[in-house]
Amino acid sequence: GESVGLHLPTLSVQEGDNSIINCAYSNSASDYFIWYKQESGKGPQFIIDIRSNMDKRQGQRVTVLLNKTVKHLSLQIAATQPGDSAVYFCAVISWGKFQFGAGTQVVVTP
Amino acid sequence: NAGVTQTPKFQVLKTGQSMTLQCAQDMNHEYMSWYRQDPGMGLRLIHYSVGAGITDQGEVPNGYNVSRSTTEDFPLRLLSAAPSQTSVYFCASSRLTGVGEKLFFGSGTQLSVL
Repeated sequence: GESVGLHLPTLSVQEGDNSIINCAYSNSASDYFIWYKQESGKGPQFIIDIRSNMDKRQGQRVTVLLNKTVKHLSLQIAATQPGDSAVYFCAVISWGKFQFGAGTQVVVTP
Repeated sequence: NAGVTQTPKFQVLKTGQSMTLQCAQDMNHEYMSWYRQDPGMGLRLIHYSVGAGITDQGEVPNGYNVSRSTTEDFPLRLLSAAPSQTSVYFCASSRLTGVGEKLFFGSGTQLSVL
């Protein structure tokens, strides 16, 4: 069956270092991918997206990489800050439907 | 600029009680949906609607009802609450579904069923 998974439940990062969060998906027909950030007590918020015809997209301090060959995407956060502490979800859109991974908790340490 | 508004933020129910979680959006979005979030399970789709008068089931619909009489509102009804329905519930909307359409989430409802 279709699945969306994240590689690590918790990622501990020192402030100022780069963070890399990974996500694997199973449906090769997936055509749109989104990363969301969820802070404690809040709903998920959009960070960055990428379409299946791209392999890299950059935003402000964030980069998403898509490898369709191995059905893998990653979110890179440059110079991680305390405000980046949150749960990060990947969402995969296949045939118009969203499917979410379980989430990775990013903990930023001083 | 309210976006997606959910009420209440917190609710405690006894087993067997019924209640309605409210969701409203002011972005004129056609697509609205309800998710539940449980530890380690990610977001699971309960019900969704692609427009007023149209609703459909997601992956975990049992024990929940929805209706969509207007574009703005999409209430979720718990018919007879069970402890297994203890969860955080999120309403989300998007203009349409498909490539390029982003889901906007409400701030969630924390529900406890005793």
